[in-house]
Amino acid sequence: KQEVTQIPAALSVPEGENLVLNCSFTDSAIYNLQWFRQDPGKGLTSLLLIQSSQREQTSGRLNASLDKSSGRSTLYIAASQPGDSATYLCAVRDSGNTPLVFGKGTRLSVIA
Amino acid sequence: ETGVTQTPRHLVMGMTNKKSLKCEQHLGHNAMYWYKQSAKKPLELMFVYSLEERVENNSVPSRFSPECPNSSHLFLHLHTLQPEDSALYLCASSQGLSYEQYFGPGTRLTVT
Repeated sequence: KQEVTQIPAALSVPEGENLVLNCSFTDSAIYNLQWFRQDPGKGLTSLLLIQSSQREQTSGRLNASLDKSSGRSTLYIAASQPGDSATYLCAVRDSGNTPLVFGKGTRLSVIA
Repeated sequence: ETGVTQTPRHLVMGMTNKKSLKCEQHLGHNAMYWYKQSAKKPLELMFVYSLEERVENNSVPSRFSPECPNSSHLFLHLHTLQPEDSALYLCASSQGLSYEQYFGPGTRLTVT
């Protein structure tokens, strides 16, 4: 059974710092991996989707990498801003028709 | 309205009440999902509908009853809930089962 772990559970950084959020999964034979952002009490916003054949995806200040063989993904946020404060969730899909399996998320606080 | 909308945004109900949550997607997608998000737990998939047919039912108690009358609308009918059912209920949609999911803002449910 696929399990997704995100470490750390919470992270606080000063504004302007570059940071990395980690996601690991137990079964490396995944179909794709998705990073989401969730603001308190709100729904999820999709940030990046990486297919199993890809190594990374970029969107603005965000870069997500995927290393299937080691069961890891990282989300890199450059030049962090207070507006980046949110919970970041990682989710993997094992095959085209299986549901997403989510981690518990990393709660990020960027201090001005 | 654009994206995925959910109503109501907040709901307080007693254990003997019957209520329904509504989700509507304006993205032309053909798959819709219900998730439950409890404090300090990963998102839990409850139900999946594809082309208005239920394709996933993750051992959800019968006090939760989904309905998908067409590809744009999804309901979650609630009756005789328990306090532990208090959570954020999120709806999502996607172009197909293996595609990126787009989430609504959620309904914060409190069972008293």
